[in-house]
Amino acid sequence: GDSVTQMEGPVTLSEEAFLTINCTYTATGYPSLFWYVQYPGEGLQLLLKATKADDKGSNKGFEATYRKETTSFHLEKGSVQVSDSAVYFCALSEKTSGSRLTFGEGTQLTVNP
Amino acid sequence: DTGVSQDPRHKITKRGQNVTFRCDPISEHNRLYWYRQTLGQGPEFLTYFQNEAQLEKSRLLSDRFSAERPKGSFSTLEIQRTEQGDSAMYLCASSLGSGANEQFFGPGTRLTVL
Repeated sequence: GDSVTQMEGPVTLSEEAFLTINCTYTATGYPSLFWYVQYPGEGLQLLLKATKADDKGSNKGFEATYRKETTSFHLEKGSVQVSDSAVYFCALSEKTSGSRLTFGEGTQLTVNP
Repeated sequence: DTGVSQDPRHKITKRGQNVTFRCDPISEHNRLYWYRQTLGQGPEFLTYFQNEAQLEKSRLLSDRFSAERPKGSFSTLEIQRTEQGDSAMYLCASSLGSGANEQFFGPGTRLTVL
C-alpha cells in the first residue's frame, strides 16, 4: 500500500538558517504530493503541492520538487523565521484510492531567535 | 467564517460510553473525509463520503465506529462502547471534487476515554 516516510525529528534551527525536511514515498500509481503544516493550536493547512513528476510546489518561501526517480518530495526553505515553528506533514493522494491522504509521521520544527 | 467546523472540540468520556462527533464541511464541497490522529503521529484515514454515499472505510474503522452524511452536507462519526485506545484527535476535511484538490481541515475533536 501507499506510505510516506519523513526524516526523524524534531528539528531545531536558528533564525535565517536553511531548512530541509526529507520526505520519501511509496505508491502504486502516480500520486499527487503535498506538504501540510500545523501551527500550534491550529488545524492542518495546505502549504504546497505538486501533481506530477518534476513539478515544483512553492508557498511562503517554502519549496518542494516532485522527484519520481528518487520517490522524494523534500521540503526546503532558504531562511527560516521564528514564525515557521510548527509541525510539517508530507502526504500523498491517489485518485485510485478516493484521493484520501496518506500522511507521514510529521516533523516538529522549532526556530529560535 | 466559512471553513470546516467540528463539534465538540473536546470530549471526555468513560470507557464503554457512546460518543458522537459532528462535522460541517465547506458548503459547496462534495467530498468529506474523516481522519484520526494520535499524539506524535500523522493523521490516518478512516472513511470518506462523496455527497451522501460512503465510498470507502479503512480497516481501522472497527464495527464500533459508524459514520453518516445523511443529506450530503454535515457528517457524524459515532463510536460505540468506547475504549481507551480510541483516545485521539478526530479530524474532518472536505474538498471540492477529488485528485489534487485541496482538502480543508477542521480544528478536530479531541477525545479522551478514561
